[in-house]
Amino acid sequence: DAKTTQPNSMESNEEEPVHLPCNHSTISGTDYIHWYRQLPSQGPEYVIHGLTSNVNNRMASLAIAEDRKSSTLILHRATLRDAAVYYCILRGLTQGGSEKLVFGKGMKLTVNP
Amino acid sequence: EAGVAQSPRYKIIEKRQSVAFWCNPISGHATLYWYQQILGQGPKLLIQFQNNGVVDDSQLPKDRFSAERLKGVDSTLKIQPAKLEDSAVYLCASFALGSAPSYEQYFGPGTRLTVT
Repeated sequence: DAKTTQPNSMESNEEEPVHLPCNHSTISGTDYIHWYRQLPSQGPEYVIHGLTSNVNNRMASLAIAEDRKSSTLILHRATLRDAAVYYCILRGLTQGGSEKLVFGKGMKLTVNP
Repeated sequence: EAGVAQSPRYKIIEKRQSVAFWCNPISGHATLYWYQQILGQGPKLLIQFQNNGVVDDSQLPKDRFSAERLKGVDSTLKIQPAKLEDSAVYLCASFALGSAPSYEQYFGPGTRLTVT
């Protein structure tokens, strides 16, 4: 499974933008980049995903490097509710050929009031 | 729409006892996953079902763990006998295969298991 590398933790201030980096130098041409986050005592929740082009949704933006070896999740205006562990994941395939997500340790985001 | 339901939310057992977890996925979701999340780590896939068939159970410790999804809807995950290292949060997730363009897995709140 292709691996991703994230900082262990980051801090940001409330109402400021925050950029969460992810390196995935071994990404293959068919790997999608997914971001999930996990709030305390909850299951992970989907944030955004992309393949080559930058993506925007109501939660965040995903900026993908031209060579696809890195990406950045952008929270435009951090709130206290954004404090969570963020996972950058390359979507892979199970033994049966179906899709699966392989989670790393993730990155803990702390948002200061 | 209702989310993924799991029960119980918490369970404390002694080692060598057995335990079972239940999951009800989002209605209509054909794919169901069980993950194990040890404290401080990301979730690890244990088993994936497509309807009531197993797609991938390569990381399921089959000597003590078993899972079933008899009617392609609810699923149960069982541990027998439990070991101390099984203490973790067990997460269930479901996915609507073919629900392009979204590839979102929906996770339940998890069951926190403590083995003493």
